[in-house]
Amino acid sequence: QKEVEQNSGPLSVPEGAIASLNCTYSDRGSQSFFWYRQYSGKSPELIMFIYSNGDKEDGRFTAQLNKASQYVSLLIRDSQPSDSATYLCAADNAGNMLTFGGGTRLMVKP
Amino acid sequence: EPEVTQTPSHQVTQMGQEVILRCVPISNHLYFYWYRQILGQKVEFLVSFYNNEISEKSEIFDDQFSVERPDGSNFTLKIRSTKLEDSAMYFCASGRGRGQETQYFGPGTRLLVL
Repeated sequence: QKEVEQNSGPLSVPEGAIASLNCTYSDRGSQSFFWYRQYSGKSPELIMFIYSNGDKEDGRFTAQLNKASQYVSLLIRDSQPSDSATYLCAADNAGNMLTFGGGTRLMVKP
Repeated sequence: EPEVTQTPSHQVTQMGQEVILRCVPISNHLYFYWYRQILGQKVEFLVSFYNNEISEKSEIFDDQFSVERPDGSNFTLKIRSTKLEDSAMYFCASGRGRGQETQYFGPGTRLLVL
């Protein structure tokens, strides 16, 4: 059974702080990892993806992947109230499907 | 920027009725997907479709479900005889390839089965 696990939160951070979101996965065959943001009642919106071990930066976002530990994280620097949403971690084992975690709800307080 | 579109945005149906959810994937994408999200739960994979056939399907995608690409632009999900537990948000997604290719999601169809 392929599982992706996330802490449901809520994770509350003050405006301007760094938010750290974590995700673990069970399938060692997973090759690609995606972070999506989902506002209530809306569809998942891609934030970024990562395939290789290490860090990948895109603007205020940094994704980190550790395949040995089966761990993915997303850091959001200078968090803004508009970043308040549920963040979904998803894994793809090249089997042409995404397995999603349950999401972490992030609240950024002004 | 091209995007995935879905119609209708909301659908209310009676239990046992057939529904067809429609999607227009991004035009140069070759892989198409349906996912669903029951209120308060995870996004769940239903089916993937490539080259006019199903590539992969989940346990949820039983004989009540079918997918079709009736023409060059539309991609549809049919639920033959809806059940109360089919009430969910249904998302269509498309991508250029598999594996390391991103899937882009449409806005979803909220299905309510009464």
